Amino acid sequence: GENVEQHPSTLSVQEGDSAVIKCTYSDSASNYFPWYKQELGKRPQLIIDIRSNVGEKKDQRIAVTLNKTAKHFSLHITETQPEDSAVYFCAASIPEYGNKLVFGAGTILRVKS
Amino acid sequence: ETGVTQTPRHLVMGMTNKKSLKCEQHLGHNAMYWYKQSAKKPLELMFVYSLEERVENNSVPSRFSPECPNSSHLFLHLHTLQPEDSALYLCASSQMSGGLETQYFGPGTRLLVL
Repeated sequence: GENVEQHPSTLSVQEGDSAVIKCTYSDSASNYFPWYKQELGKRPQLIIDIRSNVGEKKDQRIAVTLNKTAKHFSLHITETQPEDSAVYFCAASIPEYGNKLVFGAGTILRVKS
Repeated sequence: ETGVTQTPRHLVMGMTNKKSLKCEQHLGHNAMYWYKQSAKKPLELMFVYSLEERVENNSVPSRFSPECPNSSHLFLHLHTLQPEDSALYLCASSQMSGGLETQYFGPGTRLLVL
């Protein structure tokens, strides 16, 4: 089955710097890769996603890149702000009945002001 | 946010109790999911319901029993749980058409088993 690994487990950056979180997946059939942000005590919320037919997607300060050959995808946050502090989860979806998502273990991002 | 709601938000129960978690989605979706979120572990998919039929059960112990009476409601019935079952239980929903649709999460139920 699918296995998703996420690195780093914790990341501290200075306000204004960039943050990069990387995920690898094992199933080459995976074709949908969402990123979720979970603030303390709140639900995971989708912040950006990418499908396997594109290599990069950007939404303001957030971007995701996908390398299908290497089976890895990354989240890039530029000009980080204290409100970006949260746990970020990557996931990979297998095109089988049920829209199953396999999640990475999460990255705790701390933005220091 | 009111897209996916869960009740109760917090639950403390003894190992001999029976309780139920409730999830309701107001998004018109046709698939619903239960996840378990424990500290320092990835989100674990427990059950998937599509069009009110269970399509996946990820080797979840029988002390967890899901029920999906219609496409808007999902329950998780709990019976004789163990302390290691203490976790945040998240419900999610999505619209299945093509298999790539985004899942939207509820706020979760924080469960403590004593």
